[in-house]
Amino acid sequence: EVQLVESGGGLIQPGGSLRLSCAASGFTVSSNYMSWVRQAPGKGLEWVSVIYSGGSTYYADSVKGRFTISRDNSKNTLYLQMNSLRAEDTAVYYCARVLLHCSSTSCSNRRAFDIWGQGTMVTVSS
Amino acid sequence: SYVLTQPPSVSVAPGKTARITCGGNNIGSKSVHWYQQKPGQAPVLVVYDDSDRPSGIPERFSGSNSGNTATLTISRVEAGDEADYYCQVWDSSSDHWVFGGGTKLTVL
Repeated sequence: EVQLVESGGGLIQPGGSLRLSCAASGFTVSSNYMSWVRQAPGKGLEWVSVIYSGGSTYYADSVKGRFTISRDNSKNTLYLQMNSLRAEDTAVYYCARVLLHCSSTSCSNRRAFDIWGQGTMVTVSS
Repeated sequence: SYVLTQPPSVSVAPGKTARITCGGNNIGSKSVHWYQQKPGQAPVLVVYDDSDRPSGIPERFSGSNSGNTATLTISRVEAGDEADYYCQVWDSSSDHWVFGGGTKLTVL
């Protein structure tokens, strides 16, 4: 079964650091584009970061310079290292896989998120 | 940065058709994806590339995209369709993913 399971959330003081993990099963993380999306309490979805299969990474302006996305191919796991945390980073953090659509002749990334984890809550508060 | 605009809420009676819009500058030139999110659950992809459905999504869910507006259409609405719906695009100029603010669908 294709599945993503996040962990690592919790209560952290402003200025602190936290590392989120996202364990994948049923597919290979390094062969796919993988992303983090967050949702503040009662608010909408906000894209956070992506790592491409080739290793390139991109970040939302709100987290650039503070968050780092990475993966461990041996563990088939995606990570999000979050530093200098602020109250506005409080949210449920989801990891998500980018849809890879394959025809009979080729595959292409469709820039949509087809598999989501259940989310992990991060609360930044003193 | 690219902005997507959705109405905060849409209401529809059971059995009728719901249309949820997503506005953006020349959005017709982009691929639009739609997600359904029920309370306490992760989002679920219901339409991708404007009008394609992932396996397992009912044919009642369809999409269109032209000009400055994309639309998610839900036919023969059921009580179980009550949820928040989000549109999303990829902004190639910045390599960023963008979500709309979300629309709460209420089934009367």
